[in-house]
Amino acid sequence: QVHLVESGGGVVHPGRSLRLACSASGFTFSSYGIHWVRQAPGKGLEWVTVIGYDGSEKFYGDSVKGRFTISRDNPKNTVYLEMSSLRVEDTAVYYCSRDGGGAILEYHMDVWGEGTTVTVSS
Amino acid sequence: QSALTQPASVSGSPGQSITISCTGTGGDIATYNYVSWYQQHPGKAPKLLIFDVTKRPSGVFSRFSGSKSGNTASLTISGLQIEDEADYYCTSYTRGGSLVVFGGGTRLTVL
Repeated sequence: QVHLVESGGGVVHPGRSLRLACSASGFTFSSYGIHWVRQAPGKGLEWVTVIGYDGSEKFYGDSVKGRFTISRDNPKNTVYLEMSSLRVEDTAVYYCSRDGGGAILEYHMDVWGEGTTVTVSS
Repeated sequence: QSALTQPASVSGSPGQSITISCTGTGGDIATYNYVSWYQQHPGKAPKLLIFDVTKRPSGVFSRFSGSKSGNTASLTISGLQIEDEADYYCTSYTRGGSLVVFGGGTRLTVL
C-alpha cells in the first residue's frame, strides 16, 4: 500500500530551525517528485516546495524561498525539509505528498501523508 | 490573498448538482492544463479528485468532473451526497513566483 509519513514537527521559538522528514513506502520512491504543502490553523492550503525524482529539480514558494531547503535520500526513501529562520506565520500542519507525474513533474499530488504540526511561538 | 479565487461557500441538497469555480490571474489556468482539485474533510489530509483539468484518478467517483474555460476552472459534483460535505481546493501551475498556487478553498454544505 502506498504510504507517506511525516515526522519532526514540534514547538520552536521564532528564528530557530527545524527539520521535517517524509518517509515513503509501497512504491518506487526514486521515480517520483515529492511536494510539501502546509495549512495554517483554520486556513487554506499553501504550496511550499517540490523536489524532483532525482533531486536535481527544486522549487520553492515565495514565502519560504531562502529559508527552507528540500532534499532527498533515495536509498532511505525519505525527503527532508530543513526550515530555518522560522517565523510565527510558519505555524501550520505540514503535509508531504507525491507528485502524480512520476519522473516528470506534473504538479498534482496523488498521495498525501497525514501531516505533522509545526508551532512557532515565543 | 490566494492567487486563485474560489467562492467561500456553496450549498446544495442531496441529489442535486453544484459547481465550484476557480478563477486565475492570467499566467496560470488560462495558460497551462495543470489544474487539479482536492477534497478535504475536517482534520483529514486532502484527497486528489481531478488532475490535468479533467482527469479522474482511479477510485474517484464519476460524479466528480472538471472543466476549464479561459481563466476559470470548474469542479462539478453531480448527485450530491451527504459525505461530499467538505472543503474543496483548486490548484494550478503558474509562471509566477510560486510554481504552484492554491485557491482559498470552498466549503460545501449539503443541506
